[in-house]
Amino acid sequence: AQTVTQSQPEMSVQEAETVTLSCTYDTSESNYYLFWYKQPPSRQMILVIRQEAYKQQNATENRFSVNFQKAAKSFSLKISDSQLGDTAMYFCAFMPIQGAQKLVFGQGTRLTINP
Amino acid sequence: DAGVIQSPRHEVTEMGQEVTLRCKPISGHDYLFWYRQTMMRGLELLIYFNNNVPIDDSGMPEDRFSAKMPNASFSTLKIQPSEPRDSAVYFCASSRTFRGGTGELFFGEGSRLTVL
Repeated sequence: AQTVTQSQPEMSVQEAETVTLSCTYDTSESNYYLFWYKQPPSRQMILVIRQEAYKQQNATENRFSVNFQKAAKSFSLKISDSQLGDTAMYFCAFMPIQGAQKLVFGQGTRLTINP
Repeated sequence: DAGVIQSPRHEVTEMGQEVTLRCKPISGHDYLFWYRQTMMRGLELLIYFNNNVPIDDSGMPEDRFSAKMPNASFSTLKIQPSEPRDSAVYFCASSRTFRGGTGELFFGEGSRLTVL
C-alpha cells in the first residue's frame, strides 16, 4: 500500500519570503503521479502543481515549484514570494498510473503567511 | 464549465437520522470519488466509481454507509443511522482516465455534516 507523509503539521512565514513544504512517500510502483493540493479556508481543494514520476524535470507553476527526488521518494513544494492568499492547508498526494486510479493524501501542512 | 456540485453544503442532524449527500460530477468524467475529512484522520477515501460501477469500497467505515451512482451525472452517499462520530466534511471529486486526462481530481466544495 502507498503512504504519504508530511512531517510539518504547521508552518508560518512572512509575506514575500520563500517557504518549502516537505513530503515523502512510499511505494513499489515505478510510474505514478504526485500532486500538491491547496485547501484555503473556503474548504475547496485546489490543484497547485502536478509531477509525473517518469519526468526528470521538476514541475513549475509560476511561484510554485517542486523538488522531486525519485530515488529518495521525496516531493517538496517551494513557494516563492509568498502572498497572504497562500495561507491554506497544503496536501501532498500520490496516484499510481497502473491499477487503481485513486489519490492517497498526506496529513497536510497548515501554512500561514503573515503580513 | 460547472465544477463538481455537492449538496447540501451544511447539514445538522440528530443521532439516528438518515443523511443523504449528493454529488454531480463534471460532465465527461468517468471516475467519481467520495472522501471524508476529519481533524483526527485527515482525508480518507471512502469509495470510488468508474463508469458508474463501484470499484473499491474498502474505505466505507461500516454498513451504515452506502453509496450509489445510478447514472453518469449523479451520486449519493447515505448514512443510516447517523452517529456523532460521522461528523466530518464529505468531499466528492471526479476525474477522467489517464488516457484522456491528467489524473487530476476535481473536488466539490464539500458537505459539512454535524450529527448531534
